[in-house]
Amino acid sequence: EAGVAQSPRYKIIEKRQSVAFWCNPISGHATLYWYQQILGQGPKLLIQFQNNGVVDDSQLPKDRFSAERLKGVDSTLKIQPAKLEDSAVYLCASSSSAGFATNEKLFFGSGTQLSVL
Amino acid sequence: DAKTTQPNSMESNEEEPVHLPCNHSTISGTDYIHWYRQLPSQGPEYVIHGLTSNVNNRMASLAIAEDRKSSTLILHRATLRDAAVYYCILRGGIQGAQKLVFGQGTRLTINP
Repeated sequence: EAGVAQSPRYKIIEKRQSVAFWCNPISGHATLYWYQQILGQGPKLLIQFQNNGVVDDSQLPKDRFSAERLKGVDSTLKIQPAKLEDSAVYLCASSSSAGFATNEKLFFGSGTQLSVL
Repeated sequence: DAKTTQPNSMESNEEEPVHLPCNHSTISGTDYIHWYRQLPSQGPEYVIHGLTSNVNNRMASLAIAEDRKSSTLILHRATLRDAAVYYCILRGGIQGAQKLVFGQGTRLTINP
């Protein structure tokens, strides 16, 4: 079974530039998550999709971050404009359930490492 | 979100058992206990989860205290590939609030 695919693997940009990350979840998985992981910390949930609808985006900085999941499959996360503090690994995860099951497993991609200079 | 407390780091030797503790004194009756691990330069990986009874799978065992206020992840025979950050996470709450909230985790070092 193919895992969660993310690209690019690395990205270096200057502050105030824009950047986009792409995620392809495991086939058939209804729920998709984007996490931000700053060096030395655990991952922090940014947004959760159920099919192509947003379930939770309470921790997404909406003034600069946006995300979409067209047709309930692939997803893109965009930052515009980027700040120095956005330097982090951006992880995508997916799960097969509706996202409300407390015993479901999440499957993570390897992430995109963003450096903002 | 219910909180967990884990040691920042632990060290063990190859081929020896490892017991990773987690305290969760504010756990509610419907919270599942999940463990994930994160190998260097990779995303987190599911290890095991349980509710009340001890659980075993091919990766590890999960021992849950009778009062459910603590749990222990057991790696029966550690290898160098088990060096990772291990996260203990509680997952529960009302429908639509089942976020997987990561803490700092325990960084496990395995000595050859």
